[in-house]
Amino acid sequence: EIVLTQSPGTLSLSPGERATLSCRASQSVSSTYLAWYQQKPGQAPRLLIYGASSRATGIPDRFSGSGSGTDFTLTISRLEPEDFAVYYCQQYGSSPQTFGQGTKVEIK
Amino acid sequence: EVQVVESGGGLVQPGRSLRLSCAASGFTFDDYAMHWVRQAPGKGLEWVSGISWSSGTIGYADSVKGRFTISRDNAKNSLYLQMNSLRAEDTALYYCAKLSVSGGWFNAFDIWGQGTMVTVSS
Repeated sequence: EIVLTQSPGTLSLSPGERATLSCRASQSVSSTYLAWYQQKPGQAPRLLIYGASSRATGIPDRFSGSGSGTDFTLTISRLEPEDFAVYYCQQYGSSPQTFGQGTKVEIK
Repeated sequence: EVQVVESGGGLVQPGRSLRLSCAASGFTFDDYAMHWVRQAPGKGLEWVSGISWSSGTIGYADSVKGRFTISRDNAKNSLYLQMNSLRAEDTALYYCAKLSVSGGWFNAFDIWGQGTMVTVSS
């Protein structure tokens, strides 16, 4: 099973700042089958990024994903108030598919 | 509107059974693999099980293998999760999730329901 480790656990930033979230895999992720989700309290996860770098439908371009192999990054270029949430990475190229433990982006 | 709606959760004693349902609408259900993902209170996401559009490919997390059974009825646009021998550690919000690409298996989940809560306790 591929273990995904996200860092940091919590990111304290102000609106307008840049957020950089990391997701490291214990083994190489097949064909960049890596996704990022956003989850707000009391809500279901929302798909942001798939294929490591492709934005899902309706996702603003301030969200971008990069990386390959075992190291992946989600970048939010300028934080908007609605971006403060928990973010999860997921690998879906190897069974069982697995999620990272999450990074909370909180208002500083 | 594309949506999935879960139902069937509740409070159940350890060792008992429960069947979750997921009703899909707004898309061609039998074109897509469907999955169950759970989230224990205050914890992260855990993939539970998935089923291909034709039911030809099925997968389970090790934590539920042999106890849970996933199925679907394409005529009813519905997904199911039969949960037997429930344990306290199965307590979680169970989400139904749609694969983002038709006919595929290895892909992200683009549509999630609001979840149905399962509490296993005596």
